[in-house]
Amino acid sequence: DAGVIQSPRHEVTEMGQEVTLRCKPISGHNSLFWYRQTMMRGLELLIYFNNNVPIDDSGMPEDRFSAKMPNASFSTLKIQPSEPRDSAVYFCASSFELDYEQYFGPGTRLTVT
Amino acid sequence: QKEVEQDPGPLSVPEGAIVSLNCTYSNSAFQYFMWYRQYSRKGPELLMYTYSSGNKEDGRFTAQVDKSSKYISLFIRDSQPSDSATYLCAMSALDTGNQFYFGTGTSLTVIP
Repeated sequence: DAGVIQSPRHEVTEMGQEVTLRCKPISGHNSLFWYRQTMMRGLELLIYFNNNVPIDDSGMPEDRFSAKMPNASFSTLKIQPSEPRDSAVYFCASSFELDYEQYFGPGTRLTVT
Repeated sequence: QKEVEQDPGPLSVPEGAIVSLNCTYSNSAFQYFMWYRQYSRKGPELLMYTYSSGNKEDGRFTAQVDKSSKYISLFIRDSQPSDSATYLCAMSALDTGNQFYFGTGTSLTVIP
């Protein structure tokens, strides 16, 4: 199994630009999670989906953040406009069912200058 | 109060030492407990999981759950430099629609 795939692995952008992060979950998993990790705040859950439907987006910090899951094998997290405080590592994870163990992708390291 | 509390460390031990990593939690409904290991600049990887109370052993690693005290532990025997990483605990209530709750992670360094 290829595991969770994320792209890009690194993203450097200027403040105000739109950023799109992509995730392909493990085949057969029906739950997908987006996390943000910083030194100060640790791992924060932003939003999660079950069967392609957003279940809880209360962790999304602002309206500048949006996420979609158009099908079972693809999800995006978009930040528009980006700000320097958005700089972090963004992880996507998937699981067989909502409460089962999650498998993480390698992360996207985002730097907003 | 946070759902899950974990001492961030850092923890530094000599090679061969026994390491004890711990988390406390507040939600008595939690039944499913996990430990993740995260190497620098990598994603967290699942190390061990246990249901309800008791111990689970896997090689040099032992996960322990004490639901009466709302306390979980991960023990690493004969620690190796390759164990140097951040260890995160996670837990869920195993009810439909419930999410995982992660600790903030404990940074461990094993000195050769």
